[in-house]
Amino acid sequence: QKEVEQDPGPLSVPEGAIVSLNCTYSNSAFQYFMWYRQYSRKGPELLMYTYSSGNKEDGRFTAQVDKSSKYISLFIRDSQPSDSATYLCAMSAIGIQGAQKLVFGQGTRLTINP
Amino acid sequence: KAGVTQTPRYLIKTRGQQVTLSCSPISGHRSVSWYQQTPGQGLQFLFEYFSETQRNKGNFPGRFSGRQFSNSRSEMNVSTLELGDSALYLCASSRNLAGGRGDTQYFGPGTRLTVL
Repeated sequence: QKEVEQDPGPLSVPEGAIVSLNCTYSNSAFQYFMWYRQYSRKGPELLMYTYSSGNKEDGRFTAQVDKSSKYISLFIRDSQPSDSATYLCAMSAIGIQGAQKLVFGQGTRLTINP
Repeated sequence: KAGVTQTPRYLIKTRGQQVTLSCSPISGHRSVSWYQQTPGQGLQFLFEYFSETQRNKGNFPGRFSGRQFSNSRSEMNVSTLELGDSALYLCASSRNLAGGRGDTQYFGPGTRLTVL
């Protein structure tokens, strides 16, 4: 079983819809939770960064972390065709001397249809 | 501020050869991490360097190695290339905050390696 599980999709929704993306994880040591967006043939771009449980909002994006359920979500409101990309969840724990490695989900391919 | 840069962007090699990839982190960032991305396995952590020392290592064979220079620039090397090494190799840099706190990692565009 992978440490981080993410439905790879693909997910296709109409423009303007609310999109919900989710990941589950098994390692209770994870403290830092991130969402990255990756366009085709580009490197991942950081969207949201959250420490521990709670919600964080940035414009049309909201990230939620529920550590008790080991479940994180990303919501996109008023989705736009430019949001079409692969969305990757990532999480990490802090090791010795601050060493940190990101563990990624498989990524969900999202298409927003005009 | 310039982002993370990686060179070369594309590379074609044959089995058995070796390859060296280069990464220049964001100015002021002292930690550099390397990841391999493939369609089947997704993004997997290779190793992390800080102050020219490898601090963390993923589950890859010894053919994969890296180093970091005093200016924080990093290189990774893959020896005796196999077909399965074909992937997008991504470098990420971070500031490495004091006190062991987590830090955001910023990725470069990657080097796409094709092994024939």
